[in-house]
Amino acid sequence: EAGVAQSPRYKIIEKRQSVAFWCNPISGHATLYWYQQILGQGPKLLIQFQNNGVVDDSQLPKDRFSAERLKGVDSTLKIQPAKLEDSAVYLCASSLLTVPKASGANVLTFGAGSRLTVL
Amino acid sequence: AQSVSQHNHHVILSEAASLELGCNYSYGGTVNLFWYVQYPGQHLQLLLKYFSGDPLVKGIKGFEAEFIKSKFSFNLRKPSVQWSDTAEYFCAVNDYPHAGNNRKLIWGLGTSLAVNP
Repeated sequence: EAGVAQSPRYKIIEKRQSVAFWCNPISGHATLYWYQQILGQGPKLLIQFQNNGVVDDSQLPKDRFSAERLKGVDSTLKIQPAKLEDSAVYLCASSLLTVPKASGANVLTFGAGSRLTVL
Repeated sequence: AQSVSQHNHHVILSEAASLELGCNYSYGGTVNLFWYVQYPGQHLQLLLKYFSGDPLVKGIKGFEAEFIKSKFSFNLRKPSVQWSDTAEYFCAVNDYPHAGNNRKLIWGLGTSLAVNP
């Protein structure tokens, strides 16, 4: 099966500029996640969608970050305006199930990530 | 708040050495446990998982992990590492809150493993 697609792979911008990342999850995966991974740290969940609804956005800096998943398939994550501390890899992941069943709960498939450098 | 601790931040081994990476979590209820791996230049991928049943789980590439509930631990092991095991390893825990369906995945900071040929 095709994996989780993300673009662009790399982006360099200056602070206060805007950037957008795109993600296409695995077909049929109802849940989509955006993570931020800063060098030397574990992934930090920014937002979780189930179909086109937001399940968790408690750690999304809403003053500058926004995300949407309009048709319950692909998603975009936008940063406007960017700050130096936003330099990170932005990971998109998807999963088939969101309820904790014995075999499939929250097994995430990740994309390759989009590396953002803010100068 | 729930947390996941990975005790070894950087590990350097020679090929054929045995590996054990520690992972401890703070949640006292029912959990799902995962190890993910990120090889250089590649995306994060699932190494193994524990949901229920036998506490010793086997994953890809000869890795295994043991869930010890009394110690809140899920340590990753491999009896003989290879150069190709050089990667970043992340432990993650998925708790079962009492309300709602949103089981948040809590991640450790990761362990960087370098295997010298």
